Amino acid sequence: QKEVEQDPGPLSVPEGAIVSLNCTYSNSAFQYFMWYRQYSRKGPELLMYTYSSGNKEDGRFTAQVDKSSKYISLFIRDSQPSDSATYLCAMSAYRGGGADGLTFGKGTHLIIQP
Amino acid sequence: DVKVTQSSRYLVKRTGEKVFLECVQDMDHENMFWYRQDPGLGLRLIYFSYDVKMKEKGDIPEGYSVSREKKERFSLILESASTNQTSMYLCASSSRIHQETQYFGPGTRLLVL
Repeated sequence: QKEVEQDPGPLSVPEGAIVSLNCTYSNSAFQYFMWYRQYSRKGPELLMYTYSSGNKEDGRFTAQVDKSSKYISLFIRDSQPSDSATYLCAMSAYRGGGADGLTFGKGTHLIIQP
Repeated sequence: DVKVTQSSRYLVKRTGEKVFLECVQDMDHENMFWYRQDPGLGLRLIYFSYDVKMKEKGDIPEGYSVSREKKERFSLILESASTNQTSMYLCASSSRIHQETQYFGPGTRLLVL
């Protein structure tokens, strides 16, 4: 039971808007939650990491985890055209994935219109 | 600056060929991973290695094998390539101390004809 659901988009918003990206999951054992950003024809890069429930902020990015609802979110404030990318959520029951690696969502393609 | 490199960005092979994909990391990481990424299916783990000569199957190991003879190098082998193995292949690594951070290479786009 490792399913992670993520809307593939594309999600198109005007520059400066607040963006909300979300994932839901079914495995209650997940406790490590990551967001990766992937530009076209590049490998994913880690954007945010949170453990268990709560919020984490880094500049214009805020990650939220609600374990009771099995729901995680990534908010981007003052969105920029350079934020246009595919955003992948990832989660694991073990720190860094352990022997199971990470379970990824399918990614949301985000387009920020200038 | 951390770096994961993959031997080829693009590769075209024929059905039945043996294919080697190489990954090298310069961060002295213990853990290395091979994923494939397909539209609509996302990233899926093929194999994982937590030490030299050690390997663990991921979600989709069928048709693949791996080799980790040196700490910095992790190879993915397609014993007899098939068209359904056409995909983007991504290598990643992480340290044992900071396992929450996986660093990815740029990927290899493999086309099997």
